[in-house]
Amino acid sequence: RKEVEQDPGPFNVPEGATVAFNCTYSNSASQSFFWYRQDCRKEPKLLMSVYSSGNEDGRFTAQLNRASQYISLLIRDSKLSDSATYLCVVNVPSGAGSYQLTFGKGTKLSVIP
Amino acid sequence: EAGVAQSPRYKIIEKRQSVAFWCNPISGHATLYWYQQILGQGPKLLIQFQNNGVVDDSQLPKDRFSAERLKGVDSTLKIQPAKLEDSAVYLCASSPDGTANSPLHFGNGTRLTVT
Repeated sequence: RKEVEQDPGPFNVPEGATVAFNCTYSNSASQSFFWYRQDCRKEPKLLMSVYSSGNEDGRFTAQLNRASQYISLLIRDSKLSDSATYLCVVNVPSGAGSYQLTFGKGTKLSVIP
Repeated sequence: EAGVAQSPRYKIIEKRQSVAFWCNPISGHATLYWYQQILGQGPKLLIQFQNNGVVDDSQLPKDRFSAERLKGVDSTLKIQPAKLEDSAVYLCASSPDGTANSPLHFGNGTRLTVT
C-alpha cells in the first residue's frame, strides 16, 4: 500500500459545482497533513493545513479522520481558476525521530465554463 | 520576501553526462529540501538539510546523485552520470525550521531532460 493515496481523477466539473477529493495514508503515526495546489508547469503551493477539528478557508473545507486515516478537501462553488492539481501531503515518520513530507500523486481538477 | 531561487530553469543533456542544479532558499530558512517530480506524479523527497547537516537522504540514489549545502545557505544537487529515467523536474524547497507543521516554500524548479 502506498504511503499516501489519492482519488485517481481527473475531475471535470462545471462552474459552481461542489467537488470533493479524498486521500488516505498508511502510517498511523503521521503527524501533520496538508493540501497543496499545483498549477500546470508550476511549483506546488500550500493551499491549507488540515487540522483534527476540520478547518475552512472561504470555499475550501479540509477534514481529517485519524481513525480511518483519511483526509478530504471540499471545494464549493467551483471557479475556473480552481483548475489545478491538488496534492495531498502527509508528514510521515521516517525513522530516528524525523519526519518526511510525503506527497500523493495528485488529483487533477478541471472546472468547465 | 524573496522566494526560493533555482537555476537553471531548463536543462537538456545526453545520458551519461553530468549536471548540477543550484538553489538559494528564503533568507533565514534553516531547512532545505530537494524533491524530484516525474511527470504525472507527486514530488518525491531526495534529501533534506537542516542548516548544513543532512537530516534525511534515504531516497537519494547515492551512486549517481550528490548534494551539499555548504555554510547552511545555498545548495547544489548533482547527477553524475545521468540516466534517461532522471528526466524530471527538480524542485528545491525551504521552510523556517523543518518542524512537522512548517509549510514548504518551493522554487520554480529545474526541468531536466535526458536524451
